[in-house]
Amino acid sequence: DGGITQSPKYLFRKEGQNVTLSCEQNLNHDAMYWYRQDPGQGLRLIYYSQIVNDFQKGDIAEGYSVSREKKESFPLTVTSAQKNPTAFYLCASRKVGGESFFGQGTRLTVV
Amino acid sequence: GENVEQHPSTLSVQEGDSAVIKCTYSDSASNYFPWYKQELGKRPQLIIDIRSNVGEKKDQRIAVTLNKTAKHFSLHITETQPEDSAVYFCAVLSSGSARQLTFGSGTQLTVLP
Repeated sequence: DGGITQSPKYLFRKEGQNVTLSCEQNLNHDAMYWYRQDPGQGLRLIYYSQIVNDFQKGDIAEGYSVSREKKESFPLTVTSAQKNPTAFYLCASRKVGGESFFGQGTRLTVV
Repeated sequence: GENVEQHPSTLSVQEGDSAVIKCTYSDSASNYFPWYKQELGKRPQLIIDIRSNVGEKKDQRIAVTLNKTAKHFSLHITETQPEDSAVYFCAVLSSGSARQLTFGSGTQLTVLP
């Protein structure tokens, strides 16, 4: 599976609720990323982290938050400020030199 | 930031024919260009990549070409098979301290039996 695990696979959120998506990797990669994918579209970068205790906003960071307290973990919180959170969320990690590995994804639906 | 454009958005070919997908990018300092294949509901998987010091790379039926001067690179799939049907994404790794991948919008390839 490439050593990067996302959970849960499916997640349902009520209006006004915060939810957290988990991403764990055992590849010893320094860099980790969160992408959002909408139907028929490409991957858009939400947040990324190149080192523990540091992270940067991507192109669509509004309504999301992250933390990077451990090298292995990069959880993403979808806050109530994100007005259209229904999407497929992909976490990735990358080794120095370029190749990125993706998790299996979390499909988030607002109910 | 980096801007990546991918064409076409959809592509249908007959089994056994070749398929070509093209991407252009904006940052001339970018130096790593991967291609990913994504089947429905699954994660993207790296299928081939190329670095800026190489003009072409081939792996069995898949090849990638890079034209640094024109800032474009292409994916070539020969002898297509139905299992090649998927969405293909190009990506570009940005230069500088913010090392992030910028993805193209994807190409839905359908191989008709």
